[in-house]
Amino acid sequence: KQEVTQIPAALSVPEGENLVLNCSFTDSAIYNLQWFRQDPGKGLTSLLLIQSSQREQTSGRLNASLDKSSGRSTLYIAASQPGDSATYLCAASGTRFGAGTRLTVKP
Amino acid sequence: DADVTQTPRNRITKTGKRIMLECSQTKGHDRMYWYRQDPGLGLRLIYYSFDVKDINKGEISDGYSVSRQAQAKFSLSLESAIPNQTALYFCATSDPRGSPSTDTQYFGPGTRLTVL
Repeated sequence: KQEVTQIPAALSVPEGENLVLNCSFTDSAIYNLQWFRQDPGKGLTSLLLIQSSQREQTSGRLNASLDKSSGRSTLYIAASQPGDSATYLCAASGTRFGAGTRLTVKP
Repeated sequence: DADVTQTPRNRITKTGKRIMLECSQTKGHDRMYWYRQDPGLGLRLIYYSFDVKDINKGEISDGYSVSRQAQAKFSLSLESAIPNQTALYFCATSDPRGSPSTDTQYFGPGTRLTVL
């Protein structure tokens, strides 16, 4: 059974910092790894999807990497802004989610 | 208009009542999903459907049932609600376009259900 873990559960940083969110999974036989953003009272919005054959994906200030052999993915956010405050979740093979990291970016 | 809608957005009910949560989508996707989210536990898959005739149990289907009325509609029922079914429920859709590796899910806004 695939287990997905996200550490830390919460993170608070000052505006402008670069930061890394972590996602680990126990079964390396995944077909993709997806990162989502969840704002309070709203659904999840897909940020980046890394296919199993890929090592990373980039969108604007976001960069996600995937290392299947070690069972890890990271989401790098450059030059963080208060508007980045949200909960970030990763999902392995579409339907196995981590519990998320709640990010607060302070002005 | 939102591509994936859920009704109701909030519901308070009592133990033992039958509840139906509805999901509609205008994305034209064949695949639809129901999840529940509990604090500190992330999302857990309840049921999923790859087309109107294909419905499958997820990891936590006990106490729930579903109906896929059409490609665009997927309903979740709690036959006899209990307090530990209090949670945030999400519907999602996806369209793999032939490859599971590119299968991206699109989520509705969620239904907050409270069972007293």
